[in-house]
Amino acid sequence: AQTVTQSQPEMSVQEAETVTLSCTYDTSESNYYLFWYKQPPSRQMILVIRQEAYKQQNATENRFSVNFQKAAKSFSLKISDSQLGDTAMYFCAFMKHEPLSGSARQLTFGSGTQLTVLP
Amino acid sequence: SQTIHQWPATLVQPVGSPLSLECTVEGTSNPNLYWYRQAAGRGLQLLFYSVGIGQISSEVPQNLSASRPQDRQFILSSKKLLLSDSGFYLCAWTLGVAGYEQYFGPGTRLTVT
Repeated sequence: AQTVTQSQPEMSVQEAETVTLSCTYDTSESNYYLFWYKQPPSRQMILVIRQEAYKQQNATENRFSVNFQKAAKSFSLKISDSQLGDTAMYFCAFMKHEPLSGSARQLTFGSGTQLTVLP
Repeated sequence: SQTIHQWPATLVQPVGSPLSLECTVEGTSNPNLYWYRQAAGRGLQLLFYSVGIGQISSEVPQNLSASRPQDRQFILSSKKLLLSDSGFYLCAWTLGVAGYEQYFGPGTRLTVT
């Protein structure tokens, strides 16, 4: 079974600054996917970024980037130029690679980090 | 493009009453569908998933059940609600064959009184 740990329950950052959210995971799988989801006060879960374990290059989506360290089983999210709209709960999630049609493709979530961007 | 709908958005039900939450996906076919529950201030717990019509897998024993009567419709039900069933219920979908990203609906906030 996989576990995902987010050790920072709450963080804050000043607007326009950079912040890094931590995530570690435990798995015996060699091929998998990692995700960061954002849940703003509306509570809709929004996919922020995805990383394939077989790719060494870190994923980037605009102001969001990850630092994926496979050997250390670490997957941190960096938010640059923080904006007030980035205030949300951020969840790290793991999915085992299941190539067959009909596979479950379940997500395992961490407990979340509440990020507050301060004006 | 694909969209996912959930209703109702908010529901207040007394203990012992039945429950039916509905989720539908538009713009795709044969998706994997998922029901999650999120307690206040907590992470997401997977309740059920479905890889096809009539195929339901349960992850957590409880008094809830799920059904998939149509390809893009997923229903969460209960015959008798408990106080512990209160929470935020999220439906999600992913492409059945090639998809690894899960996309979530807007959720239903259920309060059992």
